[in-house]
Amino acid sequence: ILNVEQSPQSLHVQEGDSTNFTCSFPSSNFYALHWYRWETAKSPEALFVMTLNGDEKKKGRISATLNTKEGYSYLYIKGSQPEDSATYLCAFYGGATNKLIFGTGTLLAVQP
Amino acid sequence: DGGITQSPKYLFRKEGQNVTLSCEQNLNHDAMYWYRQDPGQGLRLIYYSQIVNDFQKGDIAEGYSVSREKKESFPLTVTSAQKNPTAFYLCASSITGPGGDTQYFGPGTRLTVL
Repeated sequence: ILNVEQSPQSLHVQEGDSTNFTCSFPSSNFYALHWYRWETAKSPEALFVMTLNGDEKKKGRISATLNTKEGYSYLYIKGSQPEDSATYLCAFYGGATNKLIFGTGTLLAVQP
Repeated sequence: DGGITQSPKYLFRKEGQNVTLSCEQNLNHDAMYWYRQDPGQGLRLIYYSQIVNDFQKGDIAEGYSVSREKKESFPLTVTSAQKNPTAFYLCASSITGPGGDTQYFGPGTRLTVL
């Protein structure tokens, strides 16, 4: 059974703090790792799709790194703002299964 | 505006009734998906379709049915055989298959069985 784990489950930070969270996934038969941001009452929105070991991607104050050999990805948010409050989902694609496998998400709350 | 629409936003159903959730996209995407979200769990795949007139079961297809008669539309029917249908349902689409392509999500339908 392929398992994708995200930690922490939830995170409360102050405005201006930088933060990061982790997505762990199977290290064998890797194909792609997706990150999505899901704000309350909105649709999940794609942040990154990462495919290469060592890849780093950036979108504004948000960046992500990928280590396929050890099976983890980090998502960093620099200088968190209240509008960053959301659930951040990662999803793994690989192995013999033809589908994305989602983690349970990290809920980020940024206090003004 | 390109995107995915789902309707209705909230749906109430009596036990024993079938109900159909709508999903439409105007992104010209070949692939479409239905996911279910339950508290404390990741999104779980119900069905997906990579092309018109073809669809595949996901992890939790029992009690659900789909059709893909048009590229733009992928309706999901929750049948009375689904034992625990109360959940939040998300539809998504991607240019091609589920691997490296970004999936674009609709706003979801919350189904409550009374």
